[in-house]
Amino acid sequence: EVQLVESGGGLVQPGGSLRLSCAASGFTFSTYWMSWVRQAPGKGLEWVANIKQLGTEKYYLDSVKGRFTISRDNAKNSLFLQMNSLRAEDTAVYYCARLSFYLFDYWGQGTLVTVSS
Amino acid sequence: SYDLTQPPSVSVSPGQTANITCSGDKLGDRYACWYQQKSGQSPVLVIYQDIKRPSGIPERFSGSNSGNTATLTISGTQAMDEAEYYCQAWDSNTWVFGGGTKLTVL
Repeated sequence: EVQLVESGGGLVQPGGSLRLSCAASGFTFSTYWMSWVRQAPGKGLEWVANIKQLGTEKYYLDSVKGRFTISRDNAKNSLFLQMNSLRAEDTAVYYCARLSFYLFDYWGQGTLVTVSS
Repeated sequence: SYDLTQPPSVSVSPGQTANITCSGDKLGDRYACWYQQKSGQSPVLVIYQDIKRPSGIPERFSGSNSGNTATLTISGTQAMDEAEYYCQAWDSNTWVFGGGTKLTVL
């Protein structure tokens, strides 16, 4: 059974940093692209970033470029999102998702990031 | 940037057919997929590559995609289908979601 478990969310001040983690199991992690997708409170889904199997290609939402960095550790079946210079508009539930042929076929339960003073 | 437009809400009576649309420029030239998100839960893929259903998704869920519009159809809608539904497509290395449609079964 595919499982994706996020952690690392919390309350952070504007301008601060946070690192999210996603532990994957139930599939061969190193053979899949992986993604982060977020959802602001009461709002819709918004793709944030993707990373290729060996980390050689990465894509980002324009509004997070230069502030967020996606990475992975295939030896530990883990995905990460380093978030710097956080803004109030980054407040959201962040989901880890497996990417398969341009769609997200499995999702984690999400971790809440709140940016507020 | 590429945009996908969905109606904010759709209402349907139990047992009837619900149609949820998703509009985008030449959307029919690319694959569309659909996610169901029930209140307080993570999204679940219900339709991919326009018309395919993942394992475990009931047959009452179907999809189509032509021209500028993709459509999610739920036949014989049940109370358990009440949820938010999102369409999604890919464009130039960005993964785009529609704004979501709240399906109410009443």
